[in-house]
Amino acid sequence: GAVVSQHPSWVICKSGTSVKIECRSLDFQATTMFWYRQFPKQSLMLMATSNEGSKATYEQGVEKDKFLINHASLTLSTLTVTSAHPEDSSFYICSAREPSLDQPQHFGDGTRLSIL
Amino acid sequence: AQTVTQSQPEMSVQEAETVTLSCTYDTSESNYYLFWYKQPPSRQMILVIRQEAYKQQNATENRFSVNFQKAAKSFSLKISDSQLGDTAMYFCASVIIQGAQKLVFGQGTRLTINP
Repeated sequence: GAVVSQHPSWVICKSGTSVKIECRSLDFQATTMFWYRQFPKQSLMLMATSNEGSKATYEQGVEKDKFLINHASLTLSTLTVTSAHPEDSSFYICSAREPSLDQPQHFGDGTRLSIL
Repeated sequence: AQTVTQSQPEMSVQEAETVTLSCTYDTSESNYYLFWYKQPPSRQMILVIRQEAYKQQNATENRFSVNFQKAAKSFSLKISDSQLGDTAMYFCASVIIQGAQKLVFGQGTRLTINP
């Protein structure tokens, strides 16, 4: 089946640094990828829709300058948390959708981000 | 706008029992799909079952089945012969089959299967 790889799975860094998370579709081309944030014991919250070759579409309330998204190829989208602070600590999950209209999204295994 | 509501924050049953998780949704679109995802402690998102809105027949996948009531906008998940490995968060979700096809998730139900 289709596989989405997300890296790193866990990152700890100091406040003020920038962190990049990668999301790769391994065996299909994904024109659209999605980035979610999940707080403990809560549901997934869509942050942005990443479109290959164009700017990402951010959900209301998500700071585009804080969460930079780049979808430079059909198999890779990246989320960069810029100047990270402790309140950015969370679980981030990506998903990718196959081009066919009725294909489900495939999820990465998530990244646990801890900002000290 | 799409909304998905799960009104049961937590449920707990004994192993081998049958359990039903509730989900209601709202959409003005006619072409949509509904999903149940499982998120175990590892936090992977695992697709359990999918239902196309245009299909009248309820989807089934081994021990998992749904009761899709389109007019009532209800989409419950039944787990038969529950197993310890079924312990997880379960999320109901919907997607409109057009445009960006964003998934909208419910709040989740934490299911615990007791030995």
